Parts: sequence; C-alpha cells; structure tokens
Amino acid sequence: GAGVSQSPSNKVTEKGKDVELRCDPISGHTALYWYRQSLGQGLEFLIYFQGNSAPDKSGLPSDRFSAERTGGSVSTLTIQRTQQEDSAVYLCASSLGTRLSYEQYFGPGTRLTVT
Amino acid sequence: ELKVEQNPLFLSMQEGKNYTIYCNYSTTSDRLYWYRQDPGKSLESLFVLLSNGAVKQEGRLMASLDTKARLSTLHITAAVHDLSATYFCAVDTGTASKLTFGTGTRLQVTL
Repeated sequence: GAGVSQSPSNKVTEKGKDVELRCDPISGHTALYWYRQSLGQGLEFLIYFQGNSAPDKSGLPSDRFSAERTGGSVSTLTIQRTQQEDSAVYLCASSLGTRLSYEQYFGPGTRLTVT
Repeated sequence: ELKVEQNPLFLSMQEGKNYTIYCNYSTTSDRLYWYRQDPGKSLESLFVLLSNGAVKQEGRLMASLDTKARLSTLHITAAVHDLSATYFCAVDTGTASKLTFGTGTRLQVTL
C-alpha cells in the first residue's frame, strides 16, 4: 500500500518568506507526527496529532512554526518568516496510534533550505 | 527529560566482522525502536521492541531490550557492505506520543 508522502521534496526559500510543507499519512493512521533533522540538532520532535487535535506541540521551536491537520488526514506545517536556522529536513510520520501498534512510519521528508 | 544516548557515533568495520551498537535511555520505557537511514533517504523501521527481554532478528541484525538496565543493543553479525548506513534507536514515552531519538551511529563496512 501507499506509504507516507510529503511535498515538496525540496524547497529553497529566501529568509523572511513563509513556507508550507505537506504530509499525507498512511490511510487509516490516526496519529501523525512532525520531526526535524538537522546536522547540529539531530532528529527532533516538533508536534503530534491524534485525529485533528494536537495534544503535544512541545517541540515547536518558536511561534513562527504552526501546524494543522484536517479531516484526520493531511497535515500542513507552516513556517513564517523563515530564518537560516530553519534549514533542515522536515520528516512526517504516521501510526495507527493504538496500544498494539505505536510504530511510526516515516515519509521521504522535505529538505528546506533558507538562503 | 528523556535522554537517549548511542555509542559509538561512528563505526568502521571490515566485512565479516561482528560488532554491537549500544543505546541507553534515561527514563522508564518499554518500547524501543531501531531505524536505518541511508544517505539522503528517510527512516526505515528495522525493529520494534515492546517488552523487557525482547529479542528480534532479521538477517545479520539482532536487537535486544533490557528495560531494567534501560539498554538496547543492535548486534551486527558478519557485516556486509550493504549494511553501511546510519542506525538510530528511539524511545517513546508510552502514550503514542513523540519519539526521542539517539544521536545515530554511522556504520561504514569496508571491503
């Protein structure tokens, strides 16, 4: 079956611009996660959705970052007024979110470069 | 705050040799995951370890979990070049929430 998909695969933007990153989870997966991978910080959690609600936003690094999920499916991560330190690979993952299956399946990522 | 440490950070080994990657974590958890990442690629799930004493094997890789010691190991047997990648362990807090990742171990298997 189809895995987690993300778009765009690469995004180059100028400092100060806003960007939107999209994630399509595996069909039927109620839990969705955003992570960021950068050379200096490794793999960091950003936000977790269960359905359309976000019970854990603790990893969002600043109020320039926001995310939403609609219809219990697609999620969008928005970064406003991008800074060079936002350059990273943004990974989305999804899981069934049940006691028997918390395993997270990752998408291919979006490589964001802020110039 | 949950901390996850892996060692070594970098491992160069010859084909045919055995080695072990270690993953220590700082708070109670009974779910640990191992992922593989090839350069420029995403994370591929290798093992899910769900209880104390769990052991799983796939090909030349074997993972185990000791929740009392807060330690997981990934053992490589008779390494081959195709195993060259970065390996991450990750721990969750038990409520379908975030994964906390280790620093990763970059494995290079030389011919």
